[in-house]
Amino acid sequence: SYVLTQPPSVSVAPGKTARITCGGNNIGSKSVHWYQQMPGQAPVLVIYYDTDRPSGTPERFSGSKSGNTATLTISRVEAGDEADYYCQVWDSSSDHFVFGTGTKVTVL
Amino acid sequence: EVQLVESGGGLVQPGGSLRLSCAASRFTFSTYSMNWVRQAPGKGLEWVSYISASSSTIYYADSVKGRFTISRDNAKNSLFLQMISLRAEDTAVYYCARDRSPRYWYFDLWGRGTLVTVSS
Repeated sequence: SYVLTQPPSVSVAPGKTARITCGGNNIGSKSVHWYQQMPGQAPVLVIYYDTDRPSGTPERFSGSKSGNTATLTISRVEAGDEADYYCQVWDSSSDHFVFGTGTKVTVL
Repeated sequence: EVQLVESGGGLVQPGGSLRLSCAASRFTFSTYSMNWVRQAPGKGLEWVSYISASSSTIYYADSVKGRFTISRDNAKNSLFLQMISLRAEDTAVYYCARDRSPRYWYFDLWGRGTLVTVSS
């Protein structure tokens, strides 16, 4: 089955930049989507189709992809960005949605 | 407000059954594919099952195939998940989620979830 690997945690100081990676075999051929999950709440889509932001997602959030890695970047990090972040793809070979392992972002 | 509201969770013994429901409101439910996604306590997200708008296409995660059945009633704007032969590892918050397939394969609307606890 298809696997998406994320670092378990990322720590960042307020005002700095956080980068969350998502690695998967041949991920370059897939569209990657990102979700933010605050404690005790449902996930919320923050980036879709690698780089697009839904209305409501601050411009500080951006997505990119290179080689076998997709990256969610949070610029000018704020305390309110502290949350778990998940990447997700659709694996057409198995007809399964696949989530990454998740990354907890801690604002120092 | 566009929303999804899950219900039906609770405590069930191993080997037992449970039926979850998800009520959709303020959007044209019959034109969207729907899913169940779960999250075990302290763990990550796990996709469980998908059903197309017309119910013609259904997919399951390997971990639940043969035990869970997804269905929908478009006339009642409702999504269901029938779960049988429940195991301790099925303990999780179960979310109902809307996706944008077949064109876009991501989840753009989530419910708040309902907790299923499998324990004796």
